[in-house]
Amino acid sequence: QQPVQSPQAVILREGEDAVINCSSSKALYSVHWYRQKHGEAPVFLMILLKGGEQKGHEKISASFNEKKQQSSLYLTASQLSYSGTYFCGTERGSGAGSYQLTFGKGTKLSVIP
Amino acid sequence: ETGVTQTPRHLVMGMTNKKSLKCEQHLGHNAMYWYKQSAKKPLELMFVYNFKEQTENNSVPSRFSPECPNSSHLFLHLHTLQPEDSALYLCASSQVSGRKQPYNEQFFGPGTRLTVL
Repeated sequence: QQPVQSPQAVILREGEDAVINCSSSKALYSVHWYRQKHGEAPVFLMILLKGGEQKGHEKISASFNEKKQQSSLYLTASQLSYSGTYFCGTERGSGAGSYQLTFGKGTKLSVIP
Repeated sequence: ETGVTQTPRHLVMGMTNKKSLKCEQHLGHNAMYWYKQSAKKPLELMFVYNFKEQTENNSVPSRFSPECPNSSHLFLHLHTLQPEDSALYLCASSQVSGRKQPYNEQFFGPGTRLTVL
């Protein structure tokens, strides 16, 4: 079952912050975040493992709430280069590493000057 | 060449044609994947190969036939496709181990835009 992402789309002005959520009804082993710009391949951002781990990548960070089976991606002081579609990919299971990701439908983020 | 490359980048074919998509990874990875990306739909995993052996086949119609001759190359053979198969087909690779592998960062190729007439 695919994870549910929200919002579906968001428009930001440069410098504003945004939060993208990814929720699953199934127990998760890990959550992966990718960004895809129009006409390009998805690019890996970060992986979060169960345990509530929070990771950061420059001004983009994420958290994973194991109890809620939800991950949130935080974009602070957004830049024009942040524009694109953000996908979360979830890996189910007991931690054996199935290598199989189920992706959400994506959140389209547009940053305007 | 670096990263993951895919050829052709664009392909138009009739329903009776036979064609193949090619993917090559230059990252030394041992797992490769085929995904289908349709408009307004999430990325759909089609096939997974670990150590050249197919480990996942997510109920993909038999008109799609994968082939992994070695850990660097992956093919997707297409025959008698339907118009609804038109989509962007993405290849990805990652490095996995035989043990519990927590990190499975996948590197994607640019994709092949397939149109079935």
